[in-house]
Amino acid sequence: EPEVTQTPSHQVTQMGQEVILRCVPISNHLYFYWYRQILGQKVEFLVSFYNNEISEKSEIFDDQFSVERPDGSNFTLKIRSTKLEDSAMYFCASSPTGNEKLFFGSGTQLSVL
Amino acid sequence: AQSVTQPDIHITVSEGASLELRCNYSYGATPYLFWYVQSPGQGLQLLLKYFSGDTLVQGIKGFEAEFKRSQSSFNLRKPSVHWSDAAEYFCAVGATDSWGKLQFGAGTQVVVTP
Repeated sequence: EPEVTQTPSHQVTQMGQEVILRCVPISNHLYFYWYRQILGQKVEFLVSFYNNEISEKSEIFDDQFSVERPDGSNFTLKIRSTKLEDSAMYFCASSPTGNEKLFFGSGTQLSVL
Repeated sequence: AQSVTQPDIHITVSEGASLELRCNYSYGATPYLFWYVQSPGQGLQLLLKYFSGDTLVQGIKGFEAEFKRSQSSFNLRKPSVHWSDAAEYFCAVGATDSWGKLQFGAGTQVVVTP
C-alpha cells in the first residue's frame, strides 16, 4: 500500500532556530494535513492544505508556522523560531479527495532544547 | 465544537480474549467517526470509519465498531486479540463540513499478555 513518508524521523534543534519538517504525501492525493502530538496529550490538528493554499488552520497554527508545497511531491511544515513547547511528534497526512480517510505518516519527533 | 472521550487510558487483555475500547463523542450533528491504531514507531493506521448507513462497521485486522447515536458512542471491539494487537488506539471525530480536521481522543494503550 502507498505510504506517506516523513523525514527526518527525529530532529533536535535549539530554541529560536528555524526547523523544516518534510513530508512526501501519496502521489495522487490532493489534500494535505499536519497534526501534532505533545507527549502525553492528544493528537491535535494544525492545518489543512488544498490547491496550494491553506483550507483551515487551528489556533495553534500561528504566524510562527507555515506550510508549503514547493514542488509536485513534497509538503513541508516550517517553524520559524522554535520554542520549547513546540517539542512534539508531528504527523503529516494526505487524502485523495478530502472526503475519504486520511493516510498518516510515521511522524517526526521534534525536540527543542 | 466536537470532542472525543476515551475513558480508558490503559487496558490489559489476555491473548485470545475479547477486547472492547470505549469512545464517546460530542457533536451537534451526525459525525464522521474513526478508529486509528498506532504501533510503536509507526504512523496512525485507520482501522475503520463510520460516515452513515449501517451502524455496525467492519474494519481491518478483525476489528468492528458500533455507532450508537442514543449513547453518543462508537466502541471498538475484537472477539479474540492477538499479541500483535498491542498498540495505542485512538478514536477520532470529524465534522461533516470539514471532516479532515479530526478531533482525537486521548488514546487507549492496549497491552496483550500471554
